[in-house]
Amino acid sequence: KAGVTQTPRYLIKTRGQQVTLSCSPISGHRSVSWYQQTPGQGLQFLFEYFSETQRNKGNFPGRFSGRQFSNSRSEMNVSTLELGDSALYLCASSPWTGGKETQYFGPGTRLLVL
Amino acid sequence: AQSVTQPDIHITVSEGASLELRCNYSYGATPYLFWYVQSPGQGLQLLLKYFSGDTLVQGIKGFEAEFKRSQSSFNLRKPSVHWSDAAEYFCAMRPGRETSGSRLTFGEGTQLTVNP
Repeated sequence: KAGVTQTPRYLIKTRGQQVTLSCSPISGHRSVSWYQQTPGQGLQFLFEYFSETQRNKGNFPGRFSGRQFSNSRSEMNVSTLELGDSALYLCASSPWTGGKETQYFGPGTRLLVL
Repeated sequence: AQSVTQPDIHITVSEGASLELRCNYSYGATPYLFWYVQSPGQGLQLLLKYFSGDTLVQGIKGFEAEFKRSQSSFNLRKPSVHWSDAAEYFCAMRPGRETSGSRLTFGEGTQLTVNP
């Protein structure tokens, strides 16, 4: 099976712009989670989607949003970008939500905000 | 609140030496526990996981970890380190119940350097 794919892999934006990142989960996986990784804050949970519904949300401002489509692909959007949004954004998928499920991570999208 | 602590930010070992990376968690019940490894510019690769049962779990690349409830620990070990093991290692946890969702709480990470 193909792994989790994320597009684009690299992105440069300027402050105030918005950005959309995409994640395609492993075939058959219905849960998709997003994480932000920065040197200062480490790995932080953004949100989880399962069957097109947001199941969990981390402690991030409303500028961060996401959605999931019927084929389980997910997008996250960041509006009004700030310098501090520069990070590696990781997507993870699992067959189900919670329980004895393992999450598999994609390679990430590296976002640089200038 | 739940948390994961990795006390060692950076560890250096010689190739062929044994390795132990420490992980402590804070949670009121038995959690699900994971170790992931990240190479520069890459995503996270799962090394091993603990859900229940045997407290000594085997993973990929010759790694193992032991869950010790009394110490709230899940330390990662490898008997003989290879130069290719140089990477950053993350311990993570999730509440150990079916309805907890997939949200992982990560430790700060331990950067492993391997000397030839």
